[in-house]
Amino acid sequence: GDSVTQMEGPVTLSEEAFLTINCTYTATGYPSLFWYVQYPGEGLQLLLKATKADDKGSNKGFEATYRKETTSFHLEKGSVQVSDSAVYFCALWADSSYKLIFGSGTRLLVRP
Amino acid sequence: DAGVIQSPRHEVTEMGQEVTLRCKPISGHDYLFWYRQTMMRGLELLIYFNNNVPIDDSGMPEDRFSAKMPNASFSTLKIQPSEPRDSAVYFCASSVGAINTEAFFGQGTRLTVV
Repeated sequence: GDSVTQMEGPVTLSEEAFLTINCTYTATGYPSLFWYVQYPGEGLQLLLKATKADDKGSNKGFEATYRKETTSFHLEKGSVQVSDSAVYFCALWADSSYKLIFGSGTRLLVRP
Repeated sequence: DAGVIQSPRHEVTEMGQEVTLRCKPISGHDYLFWYRQTMMRGLELLIYFNNNVPIDDSGMPEDRFSAKMPNASFSTLKIQPSEPRDSAVYFCASSVGAINTEAFFGQGTRLTVV
């Protein structure tokens, strides 16, 4: 079935470091891909999305490129800030089951 | 817009009691989703509605769980009787359409069953 796999956390970085959070997926067809972010005590918020192969989603300095050949949608940011500390969820819209499927989430801790 | 509103924010109840979680979606949104988040299982989709009609409830763990959406502005998730393993954060989300669209999440209800 359709699924999303994310790297285990927590990821701990110093401020201004480069961030990569890996995400790979399994799906039939051509799913849309998303990154959501959850700040402490809050619900999830959409960070960025890509709807077709080679699309790049970007927002708030974060980027992710839809790579169909490697079935990946890795999240990157060139210089993280303490305020980026949160849990990041990769997700896909599965046409086969008509639902949004989330990965397990990756906690990011950014130290000053 | 105030966003998706859930109540209560926190609920502590004794095993065996009935629990009702409430959700008000964003006005104009035609899809409503209920998710459960735990450390062990992550974020699980329990059920979703389209235009107040339940479409997929395959994620509802067992008959103790039920969900209703009597109108476009209100939904409930009920657990009866509650058990300690139901302890989790329950999120409601809504969207316009389902495919390729952003789901807007409420702040969640943290349920503790003792």
